[in-house]
Amino acid sequence: AQSVTQPDIHITVSEGASLELRCNYSYGATPYLFWYVQSPGQGLQLLLKYFSGDTLVQGIKGFEAEFKRSQSSFNLRKPSVHWSDAAEYFCAVGGAGTASKLTFGTGTRLQVTL
Amino acid sequence: DAGVIQSPRHEVTEMGQEVTLRCKPISGHNSLFWYRQTMMRGLELLIYFNNNVPIDDSGMPEDRFSAKMPNASFSTLKIQPSEPRDSAVYFCASSLVSLPRSTDTQYFGPGTRLTVL
Repeated sequence: AQSVTQPDIHITVSEGASLELRCNYSYGATPYLFWYVQSPGQGLQLLLKYFSGDTLVQGIKGFEAEFKRSQSSFNLRKPSVHWSDAAEYFCAVGGAGTASKLTFGTGTRLQVTL
Repeated sequence: DAGVIQSPRHEVTEMGQEVTLRCKPISGHNSLFWYRQTMMRGLELLIYFNNNVPIDDSGMPEDRFSAKMPNASFSTLKIQPSEPRDSAVYFCASSLVSLPRSTDTQYFGPGTRLTVL
């Protein structure tokens, strides 16, 4: 069965500092990997996704993520965090054979201090 | 271009009442998903449809929950009778899945916040 682990429930960073959010997945074949962001009171918005090819993917709002098959990881990074990045971030995994289904992690809540 | 539309945005009802949540997916999308989000359980997939056909309803908590997709542009999630533990935010999402890729980006609606008193 596929699964996603986001080990950090809550992270606090200072504005301008770098950010890395961790995501580890379990999937038997080549995974499709996603990062979503959810601002308070809103739905989830796609930040970036990985299907194949270059393992470093760029997304919106200056975010990037790197797929590391050997570590079963897909960590999200941003070189300089802005106060508006405060939100909850979800990693998700799907793939061939899952018939459209995505499995989401439990989320990491990001707090940004000024 | 309109995204996924959900109605109502907020619903307050009393225990035992029937609740119907509605979703209009993005035009042209062929997959639709219903999720429930709570502080305790996080984001849970309840049911999803491909080409209007329910594929997996294993996440539906119990028989009080039912979902339909009568056509490609409309879906409902019904709870009858509702209970206080059903209080949550319910999200609808849609996706365009094209073979050989069986999974693709899901676009989420703004959600319906349900409160059952």
